[in-house]
Amino acid sequence: ETGVTQSPTHLIKTRGQQVTLRCSSQSGHNTVSWYQQALGQGPQFIFQYYREEENGRGNFPPRFSGLQFPNYSSELNVNALELDDSALYLCASSRTGGRQETQYFGPGTRLLVL
Amino acid sequence: DAKTTQPNSMESNEEEPVHLPCNHSTISGTDYIHWYRQLPSQGPEYVIHGLTSNVNNRMASLAIAEDRKSSTLILHRATLRDAAVYYCILYLTGNQFYFGTGTSLTVIP
Repeated sequence: ETGVTQSPTHLIKTRGQQVTLRCSSQSGHNTVSWYQQALGQGPQFIFQYYREEENGRGNFPPRFSGLQFPNYSSELNVNALELDDSALYLCASSRTGGRQETQYFGPGTRLLVL
Repeated sequence: DAKTTQPNSMESNEEEPVHLPCNHSTISGTDYIHWYRQLPSQGPEYVIHGLTSNVNNRMASLAIAEDRKSSTLILHRATLRDAAVYYCILYLTGNQFYFGTGTSLTVIP
């Protein structure tokens, strides 16, 4: 069983650019959640996708957007990058996204905005 | 207002039990309490979760206070591989995991 994978592992962008991060969910999982983790902080919830629909959103501006595809893989897009967007971006998949579901995390994409 | 409160750091001797506390005084009746840990340069990994009763699995035990305003993760015998940041997490309305700041556990050989 393949775990959650993310690409790329590292990325450097400049302020104002746009970035797309990718996540492949674990086999049999239809829910993907995205998190932002600043250095020394706990992960912060960005949004969740369940069967290709956004199913919950944290306190992030609209320039953070996402997609989920029919195979349940997902993308996180960030427009108009700001310096504070530098962080580790984590995705996690789960079977249904329910309250007691275990989330399986990928290794993350480290984004640096200069 | 913080949904969960944990000590920033704790130390334990190898082979000794470790009790990691968490306060979640604003927890609602249907919120599960989850614990995950994050090793350096890795994504978080599941440890244990529960609702009202104490829970045990091969990794740890979870003791939940009767009023559910606090919980304690218990590692029965700490090993060097248990050195990580441990997060006490609530599953909030809107399908979001609230992570908080976590406790950095150091295991001393």
